[in-house]
Amino acid sequence: DQQVKQNSPSLSVQEGRISILNCDYTNSMFDYFLWYKKYPAEGPTFLISISSIKDKNEDGRFTVFLNKSAKHLSLHIVPSQPGDSAVYFCAALYENNNAGNMLTFGGGTRLMVKP
Amino acid sequence: DAGVTQSPTHLIKTRGQQVTLRCSPISGHKSVSWYQQVLGQGPQFIFQYYEKEERGRGNFPDRFSARQFPNYSSELNVNALLLGDSALYLCASSSRISRHAMETQYFGPGTRLLVL
Repeated sequence: DQQVKQNSPSLSVQEGRISILNCDYTNSMFDYFLWYKKYPAEGPTFLISISSIKDKNEDGRFTVFLNKSAKHLSLHIVPSQPGDSAVYFCAALYENNNAGNMLTFGGGTRLMVKP
Repeated sequence: DAGVTQSPTHLIKTRGQQVTLRCSPISGHKSVSWYQQVLGQGPQFIFQYYEKEERGRGNFPDRFSARQFPNYSSELNVNALLLGDSALYLCASSSRISRHAMETQYFGPGTRLLVL
């Protein structure tokens, strides 16, 4: 059972426009969410996070929104740049002393930003 | 500073064989986590080690085992390989194991394993 889902496998956006990547989760115990970016032949790199006590977190061009009642989060990239082209993963975790920091990842969304 | 390094980068094995993957964390990092990423899917948590002790285990069979050495490097062992074990195996290191440490958890480039 996939607890974190990214329903759009790919997204194509024009340079300068907004990119919106979506993520849904089912486990209501998740209370911390992270977005990672992955280029080919590299490991994922941390992008931005949000705690469940917030509904928005912003870092430069990147903003993450959290809707707890809908169990939905989204990553907005404004303006999109060609260098943003990568696979984006949503991940979630909750306080579980017996399971370490077990990140649960979504399946990823491939973003392509066209010049 | 060197990032997280993993070896080998690629390897090919046949069903039933055993494999050992290696990970060297960033200097000063005491936590190492292992993830399996099957093609087209997101990474799936396998193990986390901190200060040479297992701190977390994902939903993987006993064929998967790991250990962390005094220098904080780690090995992931997989016995009796199955075709479904073909994947990219990612190692990640962090200095601590708090949730905020996830923001400074760095992933290596991975080892791509193909089981024939």
